[in-house]
Amino acid sequence: EDQVTQSPEALRLQEGESSSLNCSYTVSGLRGLFWYRQDPGKGPEFLFTLYSAGEEKEKERLKATLTKKESFLHITAPKPEDSATYLCAVQASSSNTGKLIFGQGTTLQVKP
Amino acid sequence: DSGVTQTPKHLITATGQRVTLRCSPRSGDLSVYWYQQSLDQGLQFLIQYYNGEERAKGNILERFSAQQFPDLHSELNLSSLELGDSALYFCANSLAGGLGEQYFGPGTRLTVT
Repeated sequence: EDQVTQSPEALRLQEGESSSLNCSYTVSGLRGLFWYRQDPGKGPEFLFTLYSAGEEKEKERLKATLTKKESFLHITAPKPEDSATYLCAVQASSSNTGKLIFGQGTTLQVKP
Repeated sequence: DSGVTQTPKHLITATGQRVTLRCSPRSGDLSVYWYQQSLDQGLQFLIQYYNGEERAKGNILERFSAQQFPDLHSELNLSSLELGDSALYFCANSLAGGLGEQYFGPGTRLTVT
């Protein structure tokens, strides 16, 4: 069964304290891995797509990387406005549709 | 702003009732996906339509149904509502029917009392 696991469930950082969020996946064949940011009560906001191991994408203080078994979202010198839940999702070869399989998310709190 | 709109934003109704949630897509997007988000289950895929045709079904209850109209807007119908159906319901759009990122609407918060 295709599965996505994110860790940690929650993360508290001081402003400027860099860290990484982990997304481990077990799928029959990875077609794409996606990172989203979700603020409370809002819809997920698309951040990155990664398609193959070794690929990296960057946006401001965020950098996403991909290996054959996991993805990391690195947050460099975070600010309080980076506080949100970060969701990882995959599209698997077992389905020829675009359905996303989501992890449970990591809730990040950045304190000033 | 993703460009995807959903109405209503909030919905409060009683058990046994039926409701309709609406999703208007970004211009040009042919695929619509419906997801349910609850505290204990996270984001779960319900159903996908592509250019008016059902493409895939996930963990969607028989009491739930969806359709996509010729103008590509979509509706999710929930009937015989139970307390456990209380959740956030999101629609998402993508240009194509398969691989690629999806853009989510702001969601409809359904509360069943």
